[in-house]
Amino acid sequence: DQQVKQNSPSLSVQEGRISILNCDYTNSMFDYFLWYKKYPAEGPTFLISISSIKDKNEDGRFTVFLNKSAKHLSLHIVPSQPGDSAVYFCAASANAGNMLTFGGGTRLMVKP
Amino acid sequence: GAVVSQHPSWVICKSGTSVKIECRSLDFQATTMFWYRQFPKQSLMLMATSNEGSKATYEQGVEKDKFLINHASLTLSTLTVTSAHPEDSSFYICSAKRPTNSPLHFGNGTRLTVT
Repeated sequence: DQQVKQNSPSLSVQEGRISILNCDYTNSMFDYFLWYKKYPAEGPTFLISISSIKDKNEDGRFTVFLNKSAKHLSLHIVPSQPGDSAVYFCAASANAGNMLTFGGGTRLMVKP
Repeated sequence: GAVVSQHPSWVICKSGTSVKIECRSLDFQATTMFWYRQFPKQSLMLMATSNEGSKATYEQGVEKDKFLINHASLTLSTLTVTSAHPEDSSFYICSAKRPTNSPLHFGNGTRLTVT
């Protein structure tokens, strides 16, 4: 049973445009959500997080939106840059960020 | 800079041998560390929670006798893959969390290839 799902395995975006990566979850106990970026043969790098008490968190070009009623979160990257090309994982936790459950990842390709 | 260091970054071993992977928290004490495994083009799956001074907690389906975890100090956890087989070939990643309210930080992973 996949508790965190990223239904798009890949996404291709033109440089300068907005990238929107989506994530759905089923466990209503999740109260903390994170996005990680991962390059091949490297560990994930933390990007941005959001607590369930919020519906939006912004950090520079990255914004995460949380829709609790729909059990859906999304990561917006604007403007997208070629260096953003990587695999993005959303993750969720039921205890403020300790044990994480990851989605399957979305490979983002930003074309120059 | 990196807050979690993992070593080695890659290792090739023969079937039947054992391999030890180290995970260190660089500038903080981590009473809890986590070990994940990632198969090609798949998500990161939590294998076990490493607890300093006590036994690790393994996720369902993970063989504790095969994947030995030792959290001997507040800055070091080790994962030993015992009697490795080709199906153990994978990317193993450790993570740790600062005591303060901060996200989980990951090591750079270890690519294990068992021949």
